[in-house]
Amino acid sequence: EIVLTQSPTTMAASPGEKVTLNCLASSSVSYMNWYQQKSGASPKLWIYGTSNLASGVPNRFSGSGSGTSYSLTISSMEAEDVATYYCLQLSSYPLTFGSGTKLEIK
Amino acid sequence: AVQLVESGGGLVQPKESLKISCAASGFTFSNAAMYWVRQAPGKGLEWVARIRTKPNNYATYYADSVKGRFTISRDDSKSMVYLQMDNLKTEDTAMYYCTARSYFDYWGQGVMVTVSS
Repeated sequence: EIVLTQSPTTMAASPGEKVTLNCLASSSVSYMNWYQQKSGASPKLWIYGTSNLASGVPNRFSGSGSGTSYSLTISSMEAEDVATYYCLQLSSYPLTFGSGTKLEIK
Repeated sequence: AVQLVESGGGLVQPKESLKISCAASGFTFSNAAMYWVRQAPGKGLEWVARIRTKPNNYATYYADSVKGRFTISRDDSKSMVYLQMDNLKTEDTAMYYCTARSYFDYWGQGVMVTVSS
């Protein structure tokens, strides 16, 4: 089983601040997906195939990485970005999610 | 617009069975892989099951935690996907989400399943 370790577990950022969320895989994966989940809501596809933004995702978001190390970056934090972000690997079974990074605003 | 609507959740006792359903619309259901993902209260996301399309022989895959107890199925004529859950355990208590397409593109609102005596 591929274990995905997300860091940090929780973080708070000021409006306008650059934010980087990390996802480390225990074995190499072909690509990474990211999901945004706001409190009380269903998750939403946010980034797919490592670096492709899902429909409607603001371009202040970006994704990068390869092999075992992936990241989601927000170039300038906004209040609407408050959420928990999960990474997901689809390269091998069982499919696995990271434990999530809870992003708050200062 | 794409819609995934789950139903059939509720409170059951350990070792009992429950079948939850997901009605899909707004996309070509027969061409889409379908999944179930769950989230225990206050916890993260856990993939549960996948069912592929007819050209892929409706192949199914399961998380180890549910293998042998849960069965995913689909009815393309009704655009429905199901999760039959047998021998339920307290640790199966969670919100169950139906998701669609290869990248988990679309998500339903979820249905709560509570296993408790």
